[in-house]
Amino acid sequence: DQQVKQNSPSLSVQEGRISILNCDYTNSMFDYFLWYKKYPAEGPTFLISISSIKDKNEDGRFTVFLNKSAKHLSLHIVPSQPGDSAVYFCAAEGSGNTGKLIFGQGTTLQVKP
Amino acid sequence: NAGVTQTPKFRILKIGQSMTLQCTQDMNHNYMYWYRQDPGMGLKLIYYSVGAGITDKGEVPNGYNVSRSTTEDFPLRLELAAPSQTSVYFCASSYSANTQYFGPGTRLTVL
Repeated sequence: DQQVKQNSPSLSVQEGRISILNCDYTNSMFDYFLWYKKYPAEGPTFLISISSIKDKNEDGRFTVFLNKSAKHLSLHIVPSQPGDSAVYFCAAEGSGNTGKLIFGQGTTLQVKP
Repeated sequence: NAGVTQTPKFRILKIGQSMTLQCTQDMNHNYMYWYRQDPGMGLKLIYYSVGAGITDKGEVPNGYNVSRSTTEDFPLRLELAAPSQTSVYFCASSYSANTQYFGPGTRLTVL
């Protein structure tokens, strides 16, 4: 029972173009969503988050959009840079304010120079 | 600040052996977590703690135990290692129940 799904295992974009990473969830009780970035042999690092009361959050080149009715969120990276090449995980926080995160499978982004 | 540190970085165990994965954070965070990541998969929560002396199970707790005697440390114990426990283990901490900071991981192989 995969409650958070990233259906695209990989994405390749040209440097300077937009990268769009997608994530779907099934549990309407999720109220906080996060994106993490992971380089090989390192732990995930926090990128950006969004509360369910918002539909957009922006931080520099990174913007997360949330569509609650569709149970869908997306991460936009503009412009993409080669250093953005990594695995991106979306995560949703379950109920109870314990910080228990449920992760998607990840999408490997390759940004070509 | 060291952040979240994990030891060892790599370990090979034989079936039936036991070991403890160490996790320490120096950010005075109340919340700490243990995840495992299998190849091609996302992270799955094993155990978590919302403060010293308080622990609870996550999605995949079977075969593991934890303790939280101090704010800084959150060790994960494998009692009888099995091949299914071959994975990369990540420890994380957070000040509140939101943004988590991860350690570099421990790569465990059980043969």
